[in-house]
Amino acid sequence: GQQLNQSPQSMFIQEGEDVSMNCTSSSIFNTWLWYKQDPGEGPVLLIALYKAGELTSNGRLTAQFGITRKDSFLNISASIPSDVGIYFCAGHWASGTYKYIFGTGTRLKVLA
Amino acid sequence: GAVVSQHPSRVICKSGTSVKIECRSLDFQATTMFWYRQFPKQSLMLMATSNEGSKATYEQGVEKDKFLINHASLTLSTLTVTSAHPEDSSFYICSARTGNNEQYFGPGTRLTVT
Repeated sequence: GQQLNQSPQSMFIQEGEDVSMNCTSSSIFNTWLWYKQDPGEGPVLLIALYKAGELTSNGRLTAQFGITRKDSFLNISASIPSDVGIYFCAGHWASGTYKYIFGTGTRLKVLA
Repeated sequence: GAVVSQHPSRVICKSGTSVKIECRSLDFQATTMFWYRQFPKQSLMLMATSNEGSKATYEQGVEKDKFLINHASLTLSTLTVTSAHPEDSSFYICSARTGNNEQYFGPGTRLTVT
């Protein structure tokens, strides 16, 4: 099925560093969701964005809904070892359906 | 709030048998649930949309007779993998949609077909 372009695919960072990842699409989205998935578990919803330009924080996490409605980014400040995992963006792109399209994921590894 | 459970968390079955996976929204009602399949180190692939009280909507390439979905109540959807084969081995995850169109995921079910 269709997927969003998410980058980077993976990243190694030092504990305490800030992290940034983004998702882009050729289609306009009206909702963006960001999830974190640990191995062997289901994704956990981190942040939901509902309108273009919206900037929302959840603790050390901040996400923004791009003005063009075709992109979104997620920032993690002062990373800690438990931030390790896979981060997925998901976009809702069409009326008449509740389906979300998922990004390819960013695998984050934090070096203590 | 917005907790989704899945049962079982792991199942091993023999080739040719059927397996049922349950997805429940514990603290909210969900008219729409979704079933995904995830292969190692890959993203989530939507299999079908489960609608309470009506037939599920399957994504292109997903065999509806092999993956039977029933959404009999506002808090329960089931996925039955019929006549399972080793290639059906995967991580199956459900999600439930809230009133403001957020999706909350269950913890997943690891299916191994021997």
